Amino acid sequence: SQQGEEDPQALSIQEGENATMNCSYKTSINNLQWYRQNSGRGLVHLILIRSNEREKHSGRLRVTLDTSKKSSSLLITASRAADTASYFCATDVDSSYKLIFGSGTRLLVRP
Amino acid sequence: GAVVSQHPSRVICKSGTSVKIECRSLDFQATTMFWYRQFPKKSLMLMATSNEGSKATYEQGVEKDKFLINHASLTLSTLTVTSAHPEDSSFYICSARASPNTEAFFGQGTRLTVV
Repeated sequence: SQQGEEDPQALSIQEGENATMNCSYKTSINNLQWYRQNSGRGLVHLILIRSNEREKHSGRLRVTLDTSKKSSSLLITASRAADTASYFCATDVDSSYKLIFGSGTRLLVRP
Repeated sequence: GAVVSQHPSRVICKSGTSVKIECRSLDFQATTMFWYRQFPKKSLMLMATSNEGSKATYEQGVEKDKFLINHASLTLSTLTVTSAHPEDSSFYICSARASPNTEAFFGQGTRLTVV
């Protein structure tokens, strides 16, 4: 089962531009996480934002969380060709270890 | 960060045979691991939760007799695709977490092709 949707499904930008991806979810959450997946590989954790936080930064990444709208956004600033990957949000919906993933955004950064 | 190792990374098998995929947590004890399936250009679909020393918990619609999960130790979970058919061809990924509400660590994934 999937928790929610991400948009856009695909995004193509020029190197140096910013990329914004949005994630919406359906149920109450404990936290929301963003992961990156290179084609044909496993996922790598990028950032975790807790339900009582509104914004978090990590390097060129900025994540926001709006629990009233059940949505989050991931901003990648000054994008690089190496940022080309699929990006997924995932939510912890209860105290179990289970993570539920969004539909993902495929990002292409053109050199 | 913690490492989860998944093996094999790629396997081709004939219809009707079984395939075992291993997932190892290399530097922390994982009482719980997860198995996901991913179709091309799609998201990860949770198949089952692997519980050390007890039966796996399967998500709705996942055939437990088709996808056998064994979690015999705190560092190893295995997924066996039994009597594989071409429609079982997919990318399978495992993950482990040290505790709830923390980051998850993923294996490299296994590309299964059934011919």
